[in-house]
Amino acid sequence: RKEVEQDPGPFNVPEGATVAFNCTYSNSASQSFFWYRQDCRKEPKLLMSVYSSGNEDGRFTAQLNRASQYISLLIRDSKLSDSATYLCVVTHPNSGYALNFGKGTSLLVTP
Amino acid sequence: DTAVSQTPKYLVTQMGNDKSIKCEQNLGHDTMYWYKQDSKKFLKIMFSYNNKELIINETVPNRFSPKSPDKAHLNLHINSLELGDSAVYFCASSQWGTGLAFFGQGTRLTVV
Repeated sequence: RKEVEQDPGPFNVPEGATVAFNCTYSNSASQSFFWYRQDCRKEPKLLMSVYSSGNEDGRFTAQLNRASQYISLLIRDSKLSDSATYLCVVTHPNSGYALNFGKGTSLLVTP
Repeated sequence: DTAVSQTPKYLVTQMGNDKSIKCEQNLGHDTMYWYKQDSKKFLKIMFSYNNKELIINETVPNRFSPKSPDKAHLNLHINSLELGDSAVYFCASSQWGTGLAFFGQGTRLTVV
């Protein structure tokens, strides 16, 4: 079983739609949680950190449920430029805080 | 100013050759990583260095040897290249324990 599991998609949504991605992680000792974004043939870039209290950055809202070991990302009012692969990431001390990536969820926003 | 730079961007080489990829970061971070992204797009940690000390050495063939001459540099040397080594290799850096990593642009290695 992979440490971080994501629905690979693809999610095809029209501009303006709201889309939600989910992620589960297996290691209960995981300490930090993030969403990264990767555009085609580019490097991953940090989108946002994820906290138990939930956090919002413009159209993006991330949520962490430690009891269920579940992470979510909500994108409101999708833009064409949101098309990318969204990577769920966890870290834990036992692996030297290296980023453990999910396989990513592919999003395509269409006109 | 590029925060994490790796060279070369593209590398095409024959089986059996030895090649190196260089990585430098100017962010003042104390931790650097090498990741491999295979054809299925899965990003997998290979090595992690903190203050020039090897922290993680995942199940990677010993043909792969990282070297960190100082905190700002982490190079990857690959001996006796095989077809299965074809992938995109990403260097990254962060401050220890934060998970807030910056990645280089990647090196697309093709072994023929």
